[in-house]
Amino acid sequence: DAKTTQPTSMDCAEGRAANLPCNHSTISGNEYVYWYRQIHSQGPQYIIHGLKNNETNEMASLIITEDRKSSTLILPHATLRDTAVYYCIVRVEHGSSNTGKLIFGQGTTLQVKP
Amino acid sequence: DAGVTQSPTHLIKTRGQQVTLRCSPKSGHDTVSWYQQALGQGPQFIFQYYEEEERQRGNFPDRFSGHQFPNYSSELNVNALLLGDSALYLCASNPLGVPNNEQFFGPGTRLTVL
Repeated sequence: DAKTTQPTSMDCAEGRAANLPCNHSTISGNEYVYWYRQIHSQGPQYIIHGLKNNETNEMASLIITEDRKSSTLILPHATLRDTAVYYCIVRVEHGSSNTGKLIFGQGTTLQVKP
Repeated sequence: DAGVTQSPTHLIKTRGQQVTLRCSPKSGHDTVSWYQQALGQGPQFIFQYYEEEERQRGNFPDRFSGHQFPNYSSELNVNALLLGDSALYLCASNPLGVPNNEQFFGPGTRLTVL
């Protein structure tokens, strides 16, 4: 079962920041939070991941609460091309082989509007 | 550098038939995971292969089987197809033993069972 809860859908105005929340209250101490997005039946695209510190890359920022029970993905300047389904995932590791599996939930459909 | 490739792109089968889907991982990756994505749902983990063996398996029946070849490419086989097997089948790859690595997804194979 998915270990995350996300809103079903959100809207965002083009050029504004999109803030996508995620709850993962049962996350374990060594489990990472990953974000992927999927644009209209293409393969999911990796965005960012983190453990407990805030992370930023060229696509987005990830803010994880101190208790690690929730996080927020921030797209700083949303464009129409950011319209997609965004998945927040807790990666479940398999032993010490670094071959975790991704347990997807339903995701959040983000609609960026002009 | 080619990413993850999958073939065929689309496939139509009838109930009871068998199907084989193929995946070539991203260059330098030796671990392959397969996911099934039904319409309107998030991807569901089927199984994962590395070192030519199945290492993890999701909640899928034995009709779903796989194989990994010495060049790290992989096949997904589904026997006795059911209407409910209609879905987008996604392959993802990552390098074994690299901590907190991201899984790269292919474009998927759209299977329709009539």
